[in-house]
Amino acid sequence: QVHLQESGPGLVKPSETLSLTCTVSGGSIRSYFWSWIRQPPGKGLEWIGFIYHSGTTNYNPSLKSRITISIDTSKSQFSLKLSSVSAADTAVYYCASRDTVVGRFDPWGQGTLVTVSS
Amino acid sequence: QSVLTQPPSVSGAPGQRVTISCTGSSSNIGAGYDVHWYQQLPGTAPKLLISNDNNRPSGVPDRFSGSKSGPSASLAITGLQAEDEADYYCQCYDNSLGGSEVFGGGTKLTVL
Repeated sequence: QVHLQESGPGLVKPSETLSLTCTVSGGSIRSYFWSWIRQPPGKGLEWIGFIYHSGTTNYNPSLKSRITISIDTSKSQFSLKLSSVSAADTAVYYCASRDTVVGRFDPWGQGTLVTVSS
Repeated sequence: QSVLTQPPSVSGAPGQRVTISCTGSSSNIGAGYDVHWYQQLPGTAPKLLISNDNNRPSGVPDRFSGSKSGPSASLAITGLQAEDEADYYCQCYDNSLGGSEVFGGGTKLTVL
């Protein structure tokens, strides 16, 4: 069973870059689309983007100009960078695997809260 | 404003049946793309509840079922139990703006 674990700073200053890493265990990183999803406090889910082991990416159009998702297959990790953050980017960030054929997200990591504040 | 529209809240008494709607458009549900449903218990990550419109992953009780018709989908919960109190989200692929995954705004289920 695939297990996902997010890691990274819990506090980022406005205008700086948010960086998170997701470590994949219990399965091959050469399967699935590896995804990032966020949830602002008290609000709904927002898909950020995903990456395949080949490096192919797909990003949310509303965030595309600020997002970079990368993958390190040797470490079974994939990462998110979100630039020029503001308070509106404060959220719980989840990593999740997305089936390559059926577009479901399963499983999810436990999530990590990132607060944007000076 | 979410691309997929869900009611903010629904409620029901134990043992009753409730449904949660998810309304999309011709670029997502109406285009025939699969709809998936997630359950998010308080303080936890979302968990896949229904896949491909109406398929239950292993371990999900058969009290949960999904359906789809035209640009809308629905999640039905029968024999409501206290532990079903949670937020529920629908999700689908949308082929506009180059293609992306979209979620509904979420529905809070309260068991009375």
